[in-house]
Amino acid sequence: GNSVTQMEGPVTLSEEAFLTINCTYTATGYPSLFWYVQYPGEGLQLLLKATKADDKGSNKGFEATYRKETTSFHLEKGSVQVSDSAVYFCALTSIKGNAGNMLTFGGGTRLMVKP
Amino acid sequence: DSGVTQTPKHLITATGQRVTLRCSPRSGDLSVYWYQQSLDQGLQFLIQYYNGEERAKGNILERFSAQQFPDLHSELNLSSLELGDSALYFCASSVDRGPGNTIYFGEGSWLTVV
Repeated sequence: GNSVTQMEGPVTLSEEAFLTINCTYTATGYPSLFWYVQYPGEGLQLLLKATKADDKGSNKGFEATYRKETTSFHLEKGSVQVSDSAVYFCALTSIKGNAGNMLTFGGGTRLMVKP
Repeated sequence: DSGVTQTPKHLITATGQRVTLRCSPRSGDLSVYWYQQSLDQGLQFLIQYYNGEERAKGNILERFSAQQFPDLHSELNLSSLELGDSALYFCASSVDRGPGNTIYFGEGSWLTVV
């Protein structure tokens, strides 16, 4: 079955530091890959996505590249801000037979950015 | 604002009771999904509906059921509640069921079972 593994947190960084959150996946077929973010007390928001190999998703200074050869979709940001403190979830979707599609999530990585 | 609306936002109920969580998808979205987020299980897919029909089932307990109505809103019914059912329940929606479609989440319904 499908699975997503991401680095455990919490990740604690100082403001303006470089961020990498690792994400690897196992899936049949050709999944689409996503990063979602959950700010404290809020719901899940889509951060970025990539639907095929070598695609790069980017948003708000974050980016991730769909690497089929290493089955990875690592999240990066060059300079984090305190406002980036949140939990980040890597996820994938793939069609389940002729039925629906569903997101399979990683366990989430909590990021804490200190001023 | 994702456009997915969930009610109620918070709910406290006793063990053995039954509750109904309601979801209105984004305008034009035909697929509705339900997810459960708990501390020990993380984010778990429960069930998906597409245009009124069940399309995929995940880790949904037999005590739980859902449906999608002709106006495309959905309800998740949780019965014989146990302490372990305390969690954040998310509804999400997408235009259709293709894997590349973005799935948008509501803000969730916090359920506390006491």
